[in-house]
Parts: sequence; structure tokens; C-alpha cells
Amino acid sequence: GNSVTQMEGPVTLSEEAFLTINCTYTATGYPSLFWYVQYPGEGLQLLLKATKADDKGSNKGFEATYRKETTSFHLEKGSVQVSDSAVYFCALRNAGNMLTFGGGTRLMVKP
Amino acid sequence: SAVISQKPSRDICQRGTSLTIQCQVDSQVTMMFWYRQQPGQSLTLIATANQGSEATYESGFVIDKFPISRPNLTFSTLTVSNMSPEDSSIYLCSVLSSGVSYDTQYFGPGTRLTVL
Repeated sequence: GNSVTQMEGPVTLSEEAFLTINCTYTATGYPSLFWYVQYPGEGLQLLLKATKADDKGSNKGFEATYRKETTSFHLEKGSVQVSDSAVYFCALRNAGNMLTFGGGTRLMVKP
Repeated sequence: SAVISQKPSRDICQRGTSLTIQCQVDSQVTMMFWYRQQPGQSLTLIATANQGSEATYESGFVIDKFPISRPNLTFSTLTVSNMSPEDSSIYLCSVLSSGVSYDTQYFGPGTRLTVL
């Protein structure tokens, strides 16, 4: 079956630090990969996505590259801000149209 | 992208009562889903809301507890029946667009439910 594994949080960084949140997956076929972000008290927002191997998704300074050889989709940002504090979810969807989520990683950015 | 609204945004309910959550989308969508997010947890799919027919429930969720309606391609409701404190969660509506971003699933803002 499909599964997504994220690094456990919380991840605590100082402002302007480099961010990496690891995400690896197990899936049949060729899934699409997503990162969603949930700000405090809000629903999920799509942050970025990639639909095939070697695709790079990017948005708001965040990037993630679909690595089929390592079954990974790590989220990175070069310089985080306090406003990036949120919970980040890695997810995949295969041809069955079902989203499978990772457990979420809470990011806390301190001024 | 699809714009999704949910009502109510939050509620505090008494044990044994029921609450109906509404989900409205600004465009016709092929698939609609309901998720539950328990405190500090990831998302769990409750069911897929099917237009004009009974919803498809995931393991551990049953129609008597979570009846769902989807009368058209832009609207769905989820009822949480005979509530207990264990039902305190965020309930999220989600849609799969039939447009350009057909493989992207969008989420509503959620309904934060507290059961006393």
C-alpha cells in the first residue's frame, strides 16, 4: 500500500535559517507528490506539487524535488521567516485518486 | 483553484447531539471528500461524497455515525451524529478539481468541533 513518512517535529529554527523537512514515500505506480501547509487555526493550503520524477515544485521560496530513485520529496527553504511557522504535510496521490498524508511536521521559527 | 467554504467554522456541542457541516465550492468538481483531523494529528479520510448516491466510507467510519449528502456538484454536508467528546476534531471538506489542475486536491478552512 501507499505510505508517507515525514521527519518528526517540532523543528525549531531561528529566522533566516535554512530549512529541510524530510519526506519519503512508498507507493505503487507513479504518484503525484504534494506539500500542504496548515497555519495555526486554519485549514490546509497547497504549498507545492510535483507530478513526475525530477520535477521541482516551488512556491513562496519553498522547493521540493521529486526523487524517484530515493523515493523522496524533501521540502527546503533557504531563509525561513517567523510567518513560516506552521505544520507541513507531505502527501501523495496515485491513480486511485486517494491522498495519503504523512504525519505532519510542526515548524517553529523564532525571531 | 477551487474556493471552498465551510459552515460553521467552529462549534461547541453537547454530548449526544448532532451537528451538520456544510461545504460549498465555487465551481463544479468531480470528487468531494470529508476528512477528520484529531488534535495534533494528521488527516484521516472519512468518506468520499458521491453525487446522487451513497457516500463511500473508509474503514472505521459508518454511515449511521457520519451521514453524508451530496445533492449536486458544488455542495455537500457531513453530519456528526450522537456526538461524544472523542468526536472533537477539525472536519475538513476537500475537492478534486476537474479543471487544469485535475490531480490537485484543495481543502476548505475546516470546522473545529468541540464536544463537551
